[in-house]
Amino acid sequence: DVKVTQSSRYLVKRTGEKVFLECVQDMDHENMFWYRQDPGLGLRLIYFSYDVKMKEKGDIPEGYSVSREKKERFSLILESASTNQTSMYLCASRSARSSGGAGELFFGEGSRLTVL
Amino acid sequence: AQTVTQSQPEMSVQEAETVTLSCTYDTSESNYYLFWYKQPPSRQMILVIRQEAYKQQNATENRFSVNFQKAAKSFSLKISDSQLGDTAMYFCAFMKGQGGSEKLVFGKGTKLTVNP
Repeated sequence: DVKVTQSSRYLVKRTGEKVFLECVQDMDHENMFWYRQDPGLGLRLIYFSYDVKMKEKGDIPEGYSVSREKKERFSLILESASTNQTSMYLCASRSARSSGGAGELFFGEGSRLTVL
Repeated sequence: AQTVTQSQPEMSVQEAETVTLSCTYDTSESNYYLFWYKQPPSRQMILVIRQEAYKQQNATENRFSVNFQKAAKSFSLKISDSQLGDTAMYFCAFMKGQGGSEKLVFGKGTKLTVNP
């Protein structure tokens, strides 16, 4: 089974702190994604990565950056956390080589971040 | 830009009954995929069903089926014989193209509660 592991299920940080959210997948997937999930807003794409060292902004990249130095790991960085970044963060991965078309997204369990 | 609309923020159904979740989308693309994802309480999101736009036949997966109306840009999910384990957030999603590395656009979700 594909496993997407997010390093922390729950985090509490202070305003202005630098925050790292780590995501690791074990299926050699090319694509990795970071979404933010808020009630009533659904899932919004922050950043995605087609492959190692490649990244592209999603719909809400402001205040975030990402790093993908190795294929299996995709990190989301909040350089200076703010209270409006309190949210659930979901990582997902997908093979770009699935037969029959669109590959399935595999999600981690999520990281719930509270910024005080 | 593509948009996905789920007009029912919350729904409930009695165990063993049938329920239909609505989804509409807006796109000028001719090739695309549509998905329904399920997020059980405190558990990770998983794929329920997938539909390729060029296929006229509606996708089915056991108790889950879709009603894909391409001209109307409608993609509803029908759950038959509802079970308590179907209680979850359900997200409709759109992806343009034929696969590979395109990103998904999600709706805001429908919270489904199955009552005993």
